[in-house]
Amino acid sequence: NAGVTQTPKFQVLKTGQSMTLQCAQDMNHNSMYWYRQDPGMGLRLIYYSASEGTTDKGEVPNGYNVSRLNKREFSLRLESAAPSQTSVYFCASSEGGGLNQPQHFGDGTRLSIL
Amino acid sequence: AQSVSQHNHHVILSEAASLELGCNYSYGGTVNLFWYVQYPGQHLQLLLKYFSGDPLVKGIKGFEAEFIKSKFSFNLRKPSVQWSDTAEYFCAVTRDSNYQLIWGAGTKLIIKP
Repeated sequence: NAGVTQTPKFQVLKTGQSMTLQCAQDMNHNSMYWYRQDPGMGLRLIYYSASEGTTDKGEVPNGYNVSRLNKREFSLRLESAAPSQTSVYFCASSEGGGLNQPQHFGDGTRLSIL
Repeated sequence: AQSVSQHNHHVILSEAASLELGCNYSYGGTVNLFWYVQYPGQHLQLLLKYFSGDPLVKGIKGFEAEFIKSKFSFNLRKPSVQWSDTAEYFCAVTRDSNYQLIWGAGTKLIIKP
């Protein structure tokens, strides 16, 4: 099982460029999440999708958009990248409502904005 | 706002030493508690979780954690660490029907062989 697959693994962008981070899961999970991880801080939720067809803002949604394309895929888009968005981005999925279902994580995408 | 505090950002131990990593949260209602681990070069994975029942929870690889409601704590313990336990450990909390996991900043654990 591949689990949660994120692409790309690394990316360097210039300020103002746009980019979409891709995430796919093969576990038939209902819920999917996008986090960012910055040094000295815990993971912070950007957006989540409780089920196919729904998306909701997390703690730090500004500067990002998401699309739950189907049950498997949940993409994160940076419309105009800023240096403050340099981070490691993690996608995760869980079977159900996030509470008593553990989240399964991808390997992360290291994004640098110059 | 709800927060999760992990007291130590870096811990260095020798093999066979005992381990306790602190985790405190600020929310007073019903919570679900998790410890995740990230081994070097690997993705985050669940170590153990608490939802209800016995406050002493056992996880994989000999880890355990104790939920002490009166202290708002969920400390992670292992009686005797191994070099392979070198990793970053994250405590996380959800509450009520909220989907959002609130994460601690993580503790980097280094085990000297």
